[in-house]
Amino acid sequence: QVQLQQSGPGLVKPSQTLSLTCAISGDSVSSDSATWNWIRQSPSRGLEWLGRTFYRSKWSSEYALSVKSRLIISPDTSKNQFSLQLSSVTPEDTAIYYCVRKTVFLDYWGQGALVTVSS
Amino acid sequence: DVVMTQFPDSLAVSLGERATINCKSSQSIFFSSNNKNCLAWLQQKPGQPPKVLIYWASTRESGVPDRFSGSGSATDFTLTISSLQAEDVAVYFCHQYCLTPFTFGQGTKLEIK
Repeated sequence: QVQLQQSGPGLVKPSQTLSLTCAISGDSVSSDSATWNWIRQSPSRGLEWLGRTFYRSKWSSEYALSVKSRLIISPDTSKNQFSLQLSSVTPEDTAIYYCVRKTVFLDYWGQGALVTVSS
Repeated sequence: DVVMTQFPDSLAVSLGERATINCKSSQSIFFSSNNKNCLAWLQQKPGQPPKVLIYWASTRESGVPDRFSGSGSATDFTLTISSLQAEDVAVYFCHQYCLTPFTFGQGTKLEIK
């Protein structure tokens, strides 16, 4: 059974960097049949895919254009986890953030983490 | 980006009656390599992450009751709940998962009449 456990601060100040981690059990971040995604949800933007990282002979990451200049998604193979770093945050980045595994579809979701951007 | 549009935004149905939610994509999401549509239906209850009910437009995920069914192809899709139960009160989203950025409908809130 795959489980994704999210961790990270719930409050971030404007202009700072939002950092979240997703620990994986029951699968490997290096799997060649899965991608590891971050999705956020807010009342104003709905469900929004932010990006993903995956291993296919080498590591790759892919990002939504709306956040591409501010976002890094990276794996940590030693801890079997992946992380999100979103820089220069504004109140518009306030949302529930989910880490999600995708094989065929988005099949396993983390529990979600509410992150508020406020001074 | 593929824009997913759902209708209606909200729906109230009596217990035991049929509920139908529609979804339209701005371009075809038919995946020619396996002749399938890259469309999933998600259910979200308060305080929980979304859960996949249907993928490939019509394949029910393991453990999902058979009162849930999906249909449609190319740009037009439907989720049907044949006989609404109290536990089906939730927000439902359609979602395309083959073209990045993956995109979602705005959600349909289903309530009991």
